[in-house]
Amino acid sequence: GAVVSQHPSWVICKSGTSVKIECRSLDFQATTMFWYRQFPKQSLMLMATSNEGSKATYEQGVEKDKFLINHASLTLSTLTVTSAHPEDSSFYICSARVRSLYNEQFFGPGTRLTVL
Amino acid sequence: KQEVTQIPAALSVPEGENLVLNCSFTDSAIYNLQWFRQDPGKGLTSLLLIQSSQREQTSGRLNASLDKSSGRSTLYIAASQPGDSATYLCAGAGGYGNKLVFGAGTILRVKS
Repeated sequence: GAVVSQHPSWVICKSGTSVKIECRSLDFQATTMFWYRQFPKQSLMLMATSNEGSKATYEQGVEKDKFLINHASLTLSTLTVTSAHPEDSSFYICSARVRSLYNEQFFGPGTRLTVL
Repeated sequence: KQEVTQIPAALSVPEGENLVLNCSFTDSAIYNLQWFRQDPGKGLTSLLLIQSSQREQTSGRLNASLDKSSGRSTLYIAASQPGDSATYLCAGAGGYGNKLVFGAGTILRVKS
């Protein structure tokens, strides 16, 4: 149980285009999902917290107009990188929190974004 | 603000050796602490989660401990195998499991 999927697993796009990444909880409902970014050989940095039915909460330094987050249902959150530039190239990972005694987060397999 | 540090940054051991990975955190008001494994180019696999009220958790050859008073957690791997080679990350969660703060990770290589 507690499986999280991401789509696509990798994407290559031209500078200036927008890219949408989907995060799905497959076998549970997640009222809260999180989006992280990981640069090569670095750890994960939280970008934003996504709550179903409300606006996402962004971490300091993360541009909300650049990284659009939509949490339309209890099983789906999307991250759209708008007008992507080469510096947006990174590994994006989502997680979904299981509402339980432990409030554990389960992570998706990640999406590798390369902007040319 | 929570900060998480992991030592060592990299570790190379022969197969069969027992080993300890260290994690320290600055804010003792921690909700839980999780240990993850990450293979190159992949997402995170949750290994163990320790609630703030717990001292340790065990799963197979893995044992994780938590000492809030000293701000430390350790991951003990018994009888290491080449398949254990990966990056190990620890992360501390704030209130209600929100805002996981990750350490930089320990890159483990188990040589056959």
